[in-house]
Formats: sequence, C-alpha cells, structure tokens
Amino acid sequence: GAGVSQSPSNKVTEKGKDVELRCDPISGHTALYWYRQSLGQGLEFLIYFQGNSAPDKSGLPSDRFSAERTGGSVSTLTIQRTQQEDSAVYLCASSSNLGTGTDTQYFGPGTRLTVL
Amino acid sequence: AQKITQTQPGMFVQEKEAVTLDCTYDTSDPSYGLFWYKQPSSGEMIFLIYQGSYDQQNATEGRYSLNFQKARKSANLVISASQLGDSAMYFCAMRGNTGGFKTIFGAGTRLFVKA
Repeated sequence: GAGVSQSPSNKVTEKGKDVELRCDPISGHTALYWYRQSLGQGLEFLIYFQGNSAPDKSGLPSDRFSAERTGGSVSTLTIQRTQQEDSAVYLCASSSNLGTGTDTQYFGPGTRLTVL
Repeated sequence: AQKITQTQPGMFVQEKEAVTLDCTYDTSDPSYGLFWYKQPSSGEMIFLIYQGSYDQQNATEGRYSLNFQKARKSANLVISASQLGDSAMYFCAMRGNTGGFKTIFGAGTRLFVKA
C-alpha cells in the first residue's frame, strides 16, 4: 500500500507569512507524529496524535505552531508568522500503535520549508 | 528526562568490514523501545531495527544487529559486511512505553563506506 505522503515537498515563504504543511498517514495507522529536522541536526519531536485522544503538544516550540488531525487521518501543521529560524525539513510519521511495543514509525519524505 | 547520545559525528569503514555505531540513552521509564533509522542523502528516514527493553535477546535484521546492554544503557548498532549503499546518517531513537509515546532522537552519526 501507499506510504506516508507529505505536501508540499518544498515551500519557500517570506518572513511573517503563515504556512500549512500536510501529512497523509498510512491507511489504518492511528498514531501520527510531526518532527522538525534543521540542517545537519537530528529530529526534534513536535506533536503526537493517537486516535481520538488529546494530542501530545509538548514539543511545539511556540504558540505560532499548531496542528490538527481531521477524521483521525490527514494532519495539517500550521506555522503562523513564520521566522527564519523555522526553516527546516518537517517530517511526518505514522504508526499502527497496536500497543505491541514495536510501534515502528514510518516516515514521509518531508517538507522542506525555507523562510526568507 | 529522556536523552539519547550518539558520540560519533562521523565514522569511516572499509567496504565489506563491520562497523559499530554507538548509542547511549537515559530514561526513568521502566519500559521503552529503542530504534535505529537510516537517512540517506535523499532525506527519507528508513527504519532498520527495534529493541524492546524487556527483550532477552539482541535484535537482528539481516546485516543489522543491535548490541543491547541494558545495565550500561547502550544500544549500539552493528552493521556487518558494509556496502557502499550503507553510506548515510544513522539515528538512534527511544520511545517510552508509559506516559505517552513521545520519541526522542540522537544527533546522528554519518557513516562513510570506502571502496
């Protein structure tokens, strides 16, 4: 089946503009994660959704960042009033979260955001 | 607080030789999972191997094995018979199984395989 997809693949925006990044998880996966990867760095956890439970937003760096997941499937990460330090690759991952312990996360190709 | 440490920013290995990528972790969670991911220059994150904290045996997946030493809190990745296509960034990650499913990643190790 299809893997995790993200759109757009690249986004260039001007400082101060709002952007929306989209993630389509693997069909049937109940868990969805957003991460940020700055150039040459590891992954920084942003937010986690699991089914209908309240999301874990503990990684969001500021109140300019928000995310939602509609119908337990597609998720949108919104960054308001973008700043140059927001420039990074934003990665989405999904997992089946069957509670087996493995819960392997499968990643999308990412969205490369450049804030000018 | 949870923490993952990868102390080797870069590693070189000769083709067909084995290489060990180090990973140490810290957590107060009694149950957790450890993962290794590969990120080639194309940017995709590829799952390699998983080790559960209560697993008695070290995990193996083809040429990949995880040297899990729970008392030392280390989860080193061993790649046997290195191939040129193994050149990539490798990330160690940990997820606690209680109190949520937040996953933290190490800073990564860039592996260069020489012909």
